[in-house]
Amino acid sequence: EPEVTQTPSHQVTQMGQEVILRCVPISNHLYFYWYRQILGQKVEFLVSFYNNEISEKSEIFDDQFSVERPDGSNFTLKIRSTKLEDSAMYFCASSDPWVGETQYFGPGTRLLVL
Amino acid sequence: RKEVEQDPGPFNVPEGATVAFNCTYSNSASQSFFWYRQDCRKEPKLLMSVYSSGNEDGRFTAQLNRASQYISLLIRDSKLSDSATYLCVVNPSQGSSNTGKLIFGQGTTLQVKP
Repeated sequence: EPEVTQTPSHQVTQMGQEVILRCVPISNHLYFYWYRQILGQKVEFLVSFYNNEISEKSEIFDDQFSVERPDGSNFTLKIRSTKLEDSAMYFCASSDPWVGETQYFGPGTRLLVL
Repeated sequence: RKEVEQDPGPFNVPEGATVAFNCTYSNSASQSFFWYRQDCRKEPKLLMSVYSSGNEDGRFTAQLNRASQYISLLIRDSKLSDSATYLCVVNPSQGSSNTGKLIFGQGTTLQVKP
């Protein structure tokens, strides 16, 4: 069964550094998403991406964040100048609107900012 | 009012019990509703979509009450493997403004004991 993959599974970084989280969505999916979950809290929407552009972003997704689909398979989330409060699990998801609204989530990248 | 609200629990039940979870949502224009399951430190996985007429999948039954903005999940004959956090999820968008953004509740924790 096709699945969303994410790398790395864990990332430790120093405050102020830039990180890039990578995702490979399911191959025929057209919509891509990033969510985050701070430990002990709910899953929060960050951004949705379709047709090579952002279709919606949350208040969390400020200028510190950016997304890119650099080639036909990868979907990345870049966090510039990381802060302690960026420590969270980051989930990538994808969906195929022709099949339904189900979003399939990757296993996540656990980011720890020290 | 929270966009999606759930009782966090935990619900501790014996094997074989029937358990029900409830959820309310604030945006009356929401069109799509889901229950996801999340195991500890794992990604959310779709359990079932929720349709206006109610729907059943094996031991799981989901109901939607649009007038009350209320969603429920009933689990019959609980198994040890049902132990997880159950996430009530809403897509608040509709029509051409639908970007696929999902709003998650904080989740209800279920612990099924032998």
